[in-house]
Amino acid sequence: DVKVTQSSRYLVKRTGEKVFLECVQDMDHENMFWYRQDPGLGLRLIYFSYDVKMKEKGDIPEGYSVSREKKERFSLILESASTNQTSMYLCASRTLDDYNSPLHFGNGTRLTVT
Amino acid sequence: AQSVTQLDSHVSVSEGTPVLLRCNYSSSYSPSLFWYVQHPNKGLQLLLKYTSAATLVKGINGFEAEFKKSETSFHLTKPSAHMSDAAEYFCVVTPDTGRRALTFGSGTRLQVQP
Repeated sequence: DVKVTQSSRYLVKRTGEKVFLECVQDMDHENMFWYRQDPGLGLRLIYFSYDVKMKEKGDIPEGYSVSREKKERFSLILESASTNQTSMYLCASRTLDDYNSPLHFGNGTRLTVT
Repeated sequence: AQSVTQLDSHVSVSEGTPVLLRCNYSSSYSPSLFWYVQHPNKGLQLLLKYTSAATLVKGINGFEAEFKKSETSFHLTKPSAHMSDAAEYFCVVTPDTGRRALTFGSGTRLQVQP
């Protein structure tokens, strides 16, 4: 079974702090994604990557950056956390070997910025 | 480009009655389609997937979905709802290339009344 692991389940940070959310997958997947989920807004794509060192902006990249130095790890960075970034963050991965392959999700990180 | 519309944001059923969650899609190619379920404070779990092998797809927990190309629909059904089915459900369509992200519907919250 594919395992996508997000390093923290709950995180509390202060406004202005630099925040790192880490995601690791164990199945050699090419595609990795970061979403945020807020009540009434569904899942919104922040960034995704289709290869090491490659990244693409999603629908709401402002205030975020990402890093993919190794294939198995995709990090989301909040350069200067703000209260409007309080949210549930979900990481996912997918292989590109099979066009029909689904996304595999981590359990999420609930971030609170105070 | 592709799009997904989940026609109901909330559905409420009584335990033991049938469930119908509706999903329409549009696409310029032949996509794969998925249904995911999310229980409170959890990540998303794959319920089932359509990959053009069969139009009626069976998933976990007694759910199934029928792909209807003429109606561009992929509705999720279950003959008899259980209290544990209360969750949020997402319909998802694959892109035409691995360099694009999957497209999510806005979600349907299923309530199951005792």
